[in-house]
Amino acid sequence: EAQVTQNPRYLITVTGKKLTVTCSQNMNHEYMSWYRQDPGLGLRQIYYSMNVEVTDKGDVPEGYKVSRKEKRNFPLILESPSPNQTSLYFCASSLWATYNSPLHFGNGTRLTVT
Amino acid sequence: QKEVEQNSGPLSVPEGAIASLNCTYSDRGSQSFFWYRQYSGKSPELIMFIYSNGDKEDGRFTAQLNKASQYVSLLIRDSQPSDSATYLCAVTTGANNLFFGTGTRLTVIP
Repeated sequence: EAQVTQNPRYLITVTGKKLTVTCSQNMNHEYMSWYRQDPGLGLRQIYYSMNVEVTDKGDVPEGYKVSRKEKRNFPLILESPSPNQTSLYFCASSLWATYNSPLHFGNGTRLTVT
Repeated sequence: QKEVEQNSGPLSVPEGAIASLNCTYSDRGSQSFFWYRQYSGKSPELIMFIYSNGDKEDGRFTAQLNKASQYVSLLIRDSQPSDSATYLCAVTTGANNLFFGTGTRLTVIP
């Protein structure tokens, strides 16, 4: 089944404890991206990747890191999480490295930082 | 001014009626327009995309694009309770950035 897989689905952590949220797609998509969704603010892009080894900042990159060593994987790293990073996170991918191509979303990761 | 604006709702329609969801955007160079549906606690899923002025129909859904007015809408005919969700409008700008609206919450009343 074609899909974008995120793990974990739920994560509760404490301030400053490094964490990684994994994202993997099996559709051979070039483009991958991370979004956070907060009430009243909608979906905001954190980082995106046009292809392997090519990553760039989105609208809200502060406090996050990413890497794209393989085409299928795009992990999101929070080196020192803070409570303002409590949010619902989505990984997404699309076939082409252009915003004209529709996005396929993962199931989301609900992160709580205390 | 936000790149993409939607009325947050909630929009309530009776079952069987037409639901009309609207979205305006600020960049005249915008090229691609998407509608996603998001059920509570779930991820967004693509309903339709439209690139050209006019209407595009897919089953009970019709997307309408008017670039002169910078306006895109989604019509849902014969609304069903299962259509109750938040509908997100997304627009690709002329600078090749993608922006999402904050979504309109639709409730279909049986």
